[in-house]
Amino acid sequence: GENVEQHPSTLSVQEGDSAVIKCTYSDSASNYFPWYKQELGKGPQLIIDIRSNVGEKKDQRIAVTLNKTAKHFSLHITETQPEDSAVYFCAAYVRGGSNYKLTFGKGTLLTVNP
Amino acid sequence: DGGITQSPKYLFRKEGQNVTLSCEQNLNHDAMYWYRQDPGQGLRLIYYSQIVNDFQKGDIAEGYSVSREKKESFPLTVTSAQKNPTAFYLCASSRELLQSNYGYTFGSGTRLTVV
Repeated sequence: GENVEQHPSTLSVQEGDSAVIKCTYSDSASNYFPWYKQELGKGPQLIIDIRSNVGEKKDQRIAVTLNKTAKHFSLHITETQPEDSAVYFCAAYVRGGSNYKLTFGKGTLLTVNP
Repeated sequence: DGGITQSPKYLFRKEGQNVTLSCEQNLNHDAMYWYRQDPGQGLRLIYYSQIVNDFQKGDIAEGYSVSREKKESFPLTVTSAQKNPTAFYLCASSRELLQSNYGYTFGSGTRLTVV
């Protein structure tokens, strides 16, 4: 079925390094791709999103890139800090019958070591 | 400020009991969702609702029930038929189910433990 694949499942980096998380999707009609950050014991929070009419979006140390032809999008975090440690989820809208619902990747546990 | 509120934060259930998790939103969103999250796992959809008095089963609806009597509220009941209910439950909302151009807003979750 239609799904969203996310890699890697865990990522450990040193403070100040960059982190990259990649996702692929299968529904060519998907046109909105949000990224969520979930800290321990809390609900996911939207940190950045991108729509299919742009290829890249940046917000301070966070950027997202989208390649619609290849059906993949990536989250880039530069100058990582310990407070960036969390689980990150990508998502894409997938058709289910006549409806669209957000389908989430399985998440990436990012650990930033001081 | 608008938001989505889940209560309680922690809930303990005895074997054979039904429990109800509350979810309230004041974002004027039409669509609401319930997800289950197990350790190291992604988000699995339990139920969703597009409008008042309408809801649909998600991927893992067995052992759960919901109601949508008001636009703002979407409570989830974990019944005794759910054999492994210990998990972190997340409620979310969005403007419209059919709108594929907006993200979901999540609550802070309820951790349910069977004792």
